[in-house]
Amino acid sequence: AQKVTQAQTEISVVEKEDVTLDCVYETRDTTYYLFWYKQPPSGELVFLIRRNSFDEQNEISGRYSWNFQKSTSSFNFTITASQVVDSAVYFCALSANNQGGKLIFGQGTELSVKP
Amino acid sequence: DTEVTQTPKHLVMGMTNKKSLKCEQHMGHRAMYWYKQKAKKPPELMFVYSYEKLSINESVPSRFSPECPNSSLLNLHLHALQPEDSALYLCASSQGLAGYQETQYFGPGTRLLVL
Repeated sequence: AQKVTQAQTEISVVEKEDVTLDCVYETRDTTYYLFWYKQPPSGELVFLIRRNSFDEQNEISGRYSWNFQKSTSSFNFTITASQVVDSAVYFCALSANNQGGKLIFGQGTELSVKP
Repeated sequence: DTEVTQTPKHLVMGMTNKKSLKCEQHMGHRAMYWYKQKAKKPPELMFVYSYEKLSINESVPSRFSPECPNSSLLNLHLHALQPEDSALYLCASSQGLAGYQETQYFGPGTRLLVL
């Protein structure tokens, strides 16, 4: 069975703080992809990153960074120097082989960045 | 240009109405998806079309009827809906045959209210 757990339902930080959003996944497949999406209040899911199960390199994109650790089945997302515009719901998702393209989403973490 | 458009943005309908949601992409993507999202929940997959053929139907009630007239266009026909069908309906597309390695790009959604 496939499962994604985002244990943090809501996080509130003050602007310029660093914040890490946790994502833990379960799958028996050896081949899979992990994703992060951002959903601002407007509703659209914005794609942030895709990582395949064979690539454990961490990635940095501006203020965003991702830490993928297969040993702990985690794919955590860190925002450095958070800004008010980062306020949104963030979803971690898993897509495993033989699932026909189905994304398994976590429950989402609502991040509120206050000025 | 990763753009998926959806119309209308908002829709209010009675339980006896028939309406349609429209989704369009001009990225040459060959897979398209419909999701339903209730407040404070992750998106739930409804239908997947690969190369204009329905490949996944997640046991969606027949009052929802998808249609894929061509590779750029996806419709969702609504008939005799219930108030509990009120939700944000999201469309997505991905480049190739719907599979675990594909990144799904989402539209802004249609907020549906059934009275």
